[in-house]
Amino acid sequence: ETGVTQSPTHLIKTRGQQVTLRCSSQSGHNTVSWYQQALGQGPQFIFQYYREEENGRGNFPPRFSGLQFPNYSSELNVNALELDDSALYLCASSFRTGDSPLHFGNGTRLTVT
Amino acid sequence: GQSLEQPSEVTAVEGAIVQINCTYQTSGFYGLSWYQQHDGGAPTFLSYNALDGLEETGRFSSFLSRSDSYGYLLLQELQMKDSASYFCAVRDRYNQGGKLIFGQGTELSVKP
Repeated sequence: ETGVTQSPTHLIKTRGQQVTLRCSSQSGHNTVSWYQQALGQGPQFIFQYYREEENGRGNFPPRFSGLQFPNYSSELNVNALELDDSALYLCASSFRTGDSPLHFGNGTRLTVT
Repeated sequence: GQSLEQPSEVTAVEGAIVQINCTYQTSGFYGLSWYQQHDGGAPTFLSYNALDGLEETGRFSSFLSRSDSYGYLLLQELQMKDSASYFCAVRDRYNQGGKLIFGQGTELSVKP
């Protein structure tokens, strides 16, 4: 059973730039969700994808967007980066319903300067 | 609004028992989960309670009281490797399995 993998592990960008983060879900899972975790805080839900469509979104602006591919891999795109976007971005895979736990990747540490 | 409250820090010694409390206020409730996160690592699932009562998994137990909007994680026979952040999280909708609302986390320090 392959776990959740994310790339890159670290990234440094300049304010105003765009970034794409990637995630490969655990095999068998049909839902992928993305979280932002600021230092010393709990993860905050950005959005989730089910069958390649966005199926729930947190309190994040439209410059945060995503994609889910037929093989359940996923991308998180952030446009017009701001300093406050500096955080650990976590991808998690799961099943859509029920008590399915989230399986997280190790995250991408994004620093915006 | 939706919120989860848990203590920010807890310190205990090896071999002891520690309880981390969590109170929640959410628009819907479909279960309380607990996750462990070591520094710089991925959060990992520990336990889940959908119904009132105690769930036991080895050294870890989790309790839920839906009428009190309250739960706790109990860690027994503490080991140094248990030093980590612990998050409670609520699922507030049934058909959005990927969405959890997390608390701010409790940093547990286990001393020798």
